[in-house]
Amino acid sequence: AQKVTQAQTEISVVEKEDVTLDCVYETRDTTYYLFWYKQPPSGELVFLIRRNSFDEQNEISGRYSWNFQKSTSSFNFTITASQVVDSAVYFCALSGQSRDDKIIFGKGTRLHILP
Amino acid sequence: KAGVTQTPRYLIKTRGQQVTLSCSPISGHRSVSWYQQTPGQGLQFLFEYFSETQRNKGNFPGRFSGRQFSNSRSEMNVSTLELGDSALYLCASSFGLAGAGANVLTFGAGSRLTVL
Repeated sequence: AQKVTQAQTEISVVEKEDVTLDCVYETRDTTYYLFWYKQPPSGELVFLIRRNSFDEQNEISGRYSWNFQKSTSSFNFTITASQVVDSAVYFCALSGQSRDDKIIFGKGTRLHILP
Repeated sequence: KAGVTQTPRYLIKTRGQQVTLSCSPISGHRSVSWYQQTPGQGLQFLFEYFSETQRNKGNFPGRFSGRQFSNSRSEMNVSTLELGDSALYLCASSFGLAGAGANVLTFGAGSRLTVL
């Protein structure tokens, strides 16, 4: 069965600090996709990144970076020099390639950036 | 390009009533999936519709139902409301099936239901 674990329920950091959100997944599929979504206070989840299981290259987008490690089944998300606007709930998600698969979300990590 | 539109945004009902929520997907998206979000449970998958057919269903009682119309708009209905149904209900649309492959979900802002 597929599973996504975000062990950090809530994190608080002071503005400008770096913060890493952890995501560990379980799947028996050899082809799968990992996602991160951000949910600001407005409620609407916003897509951040997608990774397929064959692409282990880390990715950087501005202050955001993602570290994908198949050996540890992890897909961690780092925010560098955090800002108050980064305060949100962040969800990691996993999908397979079968038409019968469901996308599986972790329970989310609530991030507070303190001014 | 218009986003995913959910109506109503907020509603208050009493126990025993029923409620219908609506979701208009992005033009061209054929899949609509529904999620219930509560503080303790995170995002719980309700069901997914693709081309007017229910393709996947989560572990919710039969009081929760949905449908999709030929224009891909979807509705979900909850009958005999219970206090525990108070939640944010999110819908998401995608071009293909949500769980199959690299399809990115575009979410609406949600319908916040309060059951008194």
